[in-house]
Amino acid sequence: EDQVTQSPEALRLQEGESSSLNCSYTVSGLRGLFWYRQDPGKGPEFLFTLYSAGEEKEKERLKATLTKKESFLHITAPKPEDSATYLCALANQAGTALIFGKGTTLSVSS
Amino acid sequence: SQTIHQWPATLVQPVGSPLSLECTVEGTSNPNLYWYRQAAGRGLQLLFYSVGIGQISSEVPQNLSASRPQDRQFILSSKKLLLSDSGFYLCAWSSGTGDHFGPGTRLTVT
Repeated sequence: EDQVTQSPEALRLQEGESSSLNCSYTVSGLRGLFWYRQDPGKGPEFLFTLYSAGEEKEKERLKATLTKKESFLHITAPKPEDSATYLCALANQAGTALIFGKGTTLSVSS
Repeated sequence: SQTIHQWPATLVQPVGSPLSLECTVEGTSNPNLYWYRQAAGRGLQLLFYSVGIGQISSEVPQNLSASRPQDRQFILSSKKLLLSDSGFYLCAWSSGTGDHFGPGTRLTVT
């Protein structure tokens, strides 16, 4: 069964304290792995798509990487405005829709 | 650019009442459209997806139904709401490189 597991469930950081969020997955044929940011009461906002192991993408303080079993979202020198829930999702060969993890809720304090 | 709209933003309905949530997309033609539900403590759950007018696929048997009367309109309905239908309902469209979500509807069934 295709599935996505995110860890930790919650992460508290001080401003400037870099860290990483983990997304472990099992899938029968990966068509893409996606990262989203979700603010409370709002829809998820698309961040990155990764397609193959070794691929990396960056956006401001965020960097996403992909291996054959997991993906990491690295947050460098976070700011309070980076506080949100970060969701990982994958698209499998069936390709009907994305399979989401439960997310990691990040809180950054100044 | 593409824009996705959902309404209403919030809804409080009694058990046994009907439901109609609407989603429209602007700036794209013949998009794949999706309805997801996000319940507290759980990941996003795919409810329905549509690849074209009148074409609906259901991922999870439930008390809900969906319709796509126009190319860029997707409707989620129920004849009689249950308490378990409470949640955050999200409409999304697929660009091929990622799903893009609307602002969501918070439904509380009382």
